[in-house]
Amino acid sequence: SQTIHQWPATLVQPVGSPLSLECTVEGTSNPNLYWYRQAAGRGLQLLFYSVGIGQISSEVPQNLSASRPQDRQFILSSKKLLLSDSGFYLCASSPLRGLNTEAFFGQGTRLTVV
Amino acid sequence: GNSVTQMEGPVTLSEEAFLTINCTYTATGYPSLFWYVQYPGEGLQLLLKATKADDKGSNKGFEATYRKETTSFHLEKGSVQVSDSAVYFCALSSSYDKVIFGPGTSLSVIP
Repeated sequence: SQTIHQWPATLVQPVGSPLSLECTVEGTSNPNLYWYRQAAGRGLQLLFYSVGIGQISSEVPQNLSASRPQDRQFILSSKKLLLSDSGFYLCASSPLRGLNTEAFFGQGTRLTVV
Repeated sequence: GNSVTQMEGPVTLSEEAFLTINCTYTATGYPSLFWYVQYPGEGLQLLLKATKADDKGSNKGFEATYRKETTSFHLEKGSVQVSDSAVYFCALSSSYDKVIFGPGTSLSVIP
């Protein structure tokens, strides 16, 4: 199975500051990678989806961007955070194609923008 | 495209009550189906899965059967405990496409 490493676990940042959240995957190659955001008491909002290095699909227009510099590394960034960027951010991974398998999740980052 | 619909919460039950959380899906081909659980402050964990029609997934007293004729994958547990309080997500995975999640159902079990 896959292991998803995501850090930091919690983060408090001022409005207008930059953001970088990192996610790395162990136990698989060529995975699909995902960034989700979850507001308090709400469901999962898919932010970005990647099928390979440098291949990023943005699902929702917003103040955030994502990059995949290596096969098993996925980074979520912002140049200037907004209050509305607060939330619980989850990284996930699933095998690339053809296997119909589940997604594996990291433990999440709780971001509070103040 | 593929989609997952599940019953809206929150659901509040007394300890030892019977639980059903409904999930239906729309998908082309033959997807795999999953239930995930999210405890407060944590990421999602796979609870159970089924990979083909009529399969029954089970774990920790929870069960769900893959019903292709009704495109459903309802989650059930005969006797819930306080420790089952969490958010439950139904999901599907189809070849060559991303995993799709339902909106989640919050469950609170009171003693």
